[in-house]
Amino acid sequence: TQLLEQSPQFLSIQEGENLTVYCNSSSVFSSLQWYRQEPGEGPVLLVTVVTGGEVKKLKRLTFQFGDARKDSSLHITAAQPGDTGLYLCAGKAYTNAGKSTFGDGTTLTVKP
Amino acid sequence: NAGVTQTPKFQVLKTGQSMTLQCAQDMNHNSMYWYRQDPGMGLRLIYYSASEGTTDKGEVPNGYNVSRLNKREFSLRLESAAPSQTSVYFCASSDWESSGANVLTFGAGSRLTVL
Repeated sequence: TQLLEQSPQFLSIQEGENLTVYCNSSSVFSSLQWYRQEPGEGPVLLVTVVTGGEVKKLKRLTFQFGDARKDSSLHITAAQPGDTGLYLCAGKAYTNAGKSTFGDGTTLTVKP
Repeated sequence: NAGVTQTPKFQVLKTGQSMTLQCAQDMNHNSMYWYRQDPGMGLRLIYYSASEGTTDKGEVPNGYNVSRLNKREFSLRLESAAPSQTSVYFCASSDWESSGANVLTFGAGSRLTVL
């Protein structure tokens, strides 16, 4: 059973466009993290959200945690080629005995 | 500050051979993990160690064994490699933040091919 569903799986856009990536679950999470992974490297943490309804901004990236703590979104404004990579959401669900679980990821390509 | 170091970065095995992936962290983290990453399937947890001296199975433990040698080191062993174990393996470590979040720091990965 996949606890975290990410959409879309692939996204290819032009430089300057905006985009949103979604991470959804039927389970409640105590916290959610977003990671970014470049080819040949391990995932690197972008942000952690812990409070329902929380919004965090990291330059052009805006992260939101759903009020019910079952979903999260990542919005990128004016995407740049340097944003290209695999974006992964991850979290610890109350129903998963304390183990972190990952979504399948969204592969983003930003064309110049 | 090296963070999480994995060796080897690349390995090719024949079916039935055995090998051990090594992982070490220098952040004094209590918890360590082994994940595998396959195309379109995200990261799946193989085994984890919540603290020194303990290990537990994750989602896909079959065909693997682990050893938490000390607080720094956590190794993953394939006793009899199979083509289905061709994957990229990531080691990670973590400690609980004051917010209650469990944030992982990953190594660069080990690409394993089993022929």
